[in-house]
This record gives sequence, structure tokens and C-alpha cells, in this order.
Amino acid sequence: DIQMTQSPSSLSASVGDKVTITCRASQSIGSHLNWYQQKPGKAPQVVMYSASQLQSGVPSRFSGTGFGTDFTLTISGLQPEDFATYHCQQTYSSPHSFGQGTRLEI
Amino acid sequence: QVTLKESGPVLVKPTETLTLTCSVSGFSLNNFKMGVSWLRQPPGKALEWLAHIFPHDVESYNTSLKTRLSISKDTSKSQVVLRMTNMDPADTGTYYCARVLFFFGELSTYKWLDPWGQGIRVTVSS
Repeated sequence: DIQMTQSPSSLSASVGDKVTITCRASQSIGSHLNWYQQKPGKAPQVVMYSASQLQSGVPSRFSGTGFGTDFTLTISGLQPEDFATYHCQQTYSSPHSFGQGTRLEI
Repeated sequence: QVTLKESGPVLVKPTETLTLTCSVSGFSLNNFKMGVSWLRQPPGKALEWLAHIFPHDVESYNTSLKTRLSISKDTSKSQVVLRMTNMDPADTGTYYCARVLFFFGELSTYKWLDPWGQGIRVTVSS
């Protein structure tokens, strides 16, 4: 099974900041990497798929990069609604494992 | 509009079997570009992928749980059912179903989850 490791596990930032979250796969997964945003008490929602494809309706301040084993999600110019937990998931091979999540706090 | 909704018991006893139903609307379970996954999240913890069912009834399961899990679909009812046997308090959490979307690239098929159901909170306790 492929293991996904996210860092950091939590992150404090301010409105307007630029933040980067990292996800590392235990083996190469090409660009089969998705990012989800989850707010308290709500279901996750996809923000980025296939490593760098912005989901429709997601602001362009979100960007994703990476290929192989190392991936990043960057949010440029944090807005109050961006404070949430972010999860990465690989869909290169089953089981489609998740990282442990990164909690982005004000 | 695509929606998924989980239903089932919110309280089960240890050793019992949990049966959850995901009712979908806005898309067909026959669509070859889509599937359905089940996932869960213990309170305050990370998401855990459980299983999926793809077109032509291709199934896959979480490695550590595969002996306890079973997934099936009823296309005529637009439902996907997950069964988990021998429930334990450690299985307490919110269970989600989500649509799996496929994109057929030149060299690979890319998949992601969108949208998700609202989730159902399941507690395992005697």
C-alpha cells in the first residue's frame, strides 16, 4: 500500500499570508494526487485534482504542484474562509490512501 | 445537481454488522466515467478510505479491513451499500460516500472524489 505523509500537521497563519502544505508519497504516483478542504462538521470538498488541476469554482489563489512523490498545495493571499483542514489523497493505486491532514488555523 | 446521501443506523453494538446505504441522484451508477467510494473519519482524526465500486462492478477494499468489508450496488435503485462486519468501538466515526470521477488521459486514468455526501455519524457501543 502507498503511504501518504503530510506536513505540517498544523499551521498558523494570518489573512493575506501565503502558505504551503506538503504531501509525500511512499512511492511514485505520477500526478495522481488530490487535495480536499474540510471545514468543521462538514464533508470534504475537492480543491485540486491530478496534482495541479483547479476544481471549478475554487479561487485561483489555490495552486498545486508536484509529480512522482512530492506535492505541494499553496494558498496565496489567505482569506478567512480558507481556514480549514486540508487532506491529500493518492488515487494512483488501490487502496486510495489519504494523508493525516493539515489544520490551517488563524 | 449531483447529490449523495448516507443512511443507516447511528448506533450499533460491538460484534454487530453495520449496513450503510448511499443513495445517489443526478448521475447513473451505470456511467463508465464514475464510481462510488466509501470513507470514514474517527472523531478528530484523519480520513480513511474504505472501499470503492467502479463500472462493471470492479471492487477494491482497504487492505487492513478487507476481510470485514463488502460493497455492492443496485443500479435500478441508485444505491451503493457498504457492509462492515464485527463492529468494534474503534470503528466509531463519521462515514461518507462520495462519487469518484474519472478522467481518461493519454497514459493514465485520473480519479478524484466529488461530491461527497453529508456523512453519517456511527457510534459503536454496548
